[in-house]
Amino acid sequence: DGGITQSPKYLFRKEGQNVTLSCEQNLNHDAMYWYRQDPGQGLRLIYYSQIVNDFQKGDIAEGYSVSREKKESFPLTVTSAQKNPTAFYLCASTPTGGTYEQYFGPGTRLTVT
Amino acid sequence: GESVGLHLPTLSVQEGDNSIINCAYSNSASDYFIWYKQESGKGPQFIIDIRSNMDKRQGQRVTVLLNKTVKHLSLQIAATQPGDSAVYFCAETTWANNLFFGTGTRLTVIP
Repeated sequence: DGGITQSPKYLFRKEGQNVTLSCEQNLNHDAMYWYRQDPGQGLRLIYYSQIVNDFQKGDIAEGYSVSREKKESFPLTVTSAQKNPTAFYLCASTPTGGTYEQYFGPGTRLTVT
Repeated sequence: GESVGLHLPTLSVQEGDNSIINCAYSNSASDYFIWYKQESGKGPQFIIDIRSNMDKRQGQRVTVLLNKTVKHLSLQIAATQPGDSAVYFCAETTWANNLFFGTGTRLTVIP
């Protein structure tokens, strides 16, 4: 099956701990994205990567970090500097070549207490 | 920056009726629009898209209408079914930019 996988589906952490969310795709897409979704709100862009070894900040990058060492993987680290980390995190990818449709993973719900 | 918003946060329709979900955008340079469906606890799924050189596009039971004059697009779902209950997002972009998402409309289908 081709697609985007995110793991785990639910993640619990104590305040002050860093946590890394996994995102893997086997669609051979060049671009990958991380979004945050809060209840009753739309998606807000955290980071994106158009190509391996390169990434850019989105609208709400503070307190987050990413890496893009492989085309198929784009892990997101939620650091202790993120003031309100509890949220639903969505990873997406898109092929290059003039199409803008983003394919989404199933999401990871992170709860920090 | 751009703003993408929806006129109504919730919409309830009877099963079998048609649904219309609206979306306003503010960036007149936006040239591509997508509708996504998101079921509870899942990632958004692509429904249909439309480019700015079109004003209407049809899919299976869905139609998207684009009115560039008033910067408005709508999603019409024919013969709404219980499985259509979800949150629907519109998203817009311009060439080489990222997608900007609206806040979503929750559609509830009443059996």
